Amino acid sequence: SQKIEQNSEALNIQEGKTATLTCNYTNYSPAYLQWYRQDPGRGPVFLLLIRENEKEKRKERLKVTFDTTLKQSLFHITASQPADSATYLCGMNTGFQKLVFGTGTRLLVSP
Amino acid sequence: DAGVTQSPTHLIKTRGQQVTLRCSPKSGHDTVSWYQQALGQGPQFIFQYYEEEERQRGNFPDRFSGHQFPNYSSELNVNALLLGDSALYLCASSPRGTGYTFGSGTRLTVV
Repeated sequence: SQKIEQNSEALNIQEGKTATLTCNYTNYSPAYLQWYRQDPGRGPVFLLLIRENEKEKRKERLKVTFDTTLKQSLFHITASQPADSATYLCGMNTGFQKLVFGTGTRLLVSP
Repeated sequence: DAGVTQSPTHLIKTRGQQVTLRCSPKSGHDTVSWYQQALGQGPQFIFQYYEEEERQRGNFPDRFSGHQFPNYSSELNVNALLLGDSALYLCASSPRGTGYTFGSGTRLTVV
């Protein structure tokens, strides 16, 4: 079955820098790769979706890349702010198949 | 426009009891998925409902069951509660499996 790996260690960066989070997967390439933000005690919030035939997707300060050869997605937050501190989840699915998540990576942006 | 609504927000139950959690999906969304999230872990897929039928199921025992109503709202039932069932239960709705909208979850504590 599909396995999704995200760095379980927290990522600490300074305000203004670019945060880069990694999501690696095994087996087949999903049709959709999705990134979500989750704050403590709250449900995940959808951020970006990238399709398998897309290399890159941007939304304001966010950028997602999808490399089906490396079986990897990178999630970038430019000009990071303390308000960006949260856990970021990578999820994958194909069509109507279930959305499967990694364990998430916690991002801490210090002033 | 209301997003996904879950009730109750918190619940304390005793081992062996049964619990029902409720979810109202976002307007226009016909697919409802349920997830279990333990502390520090990513959401684990329980099952997905579409057109009032269970379409997919994750690795959860038969003690976990669900239902979807004609108005697309859904219930998650857990029988014979175990201590290990304590978690945040998330409901997510989506149109055709992309860009899930999550509720804030129900925090279930089994004592």
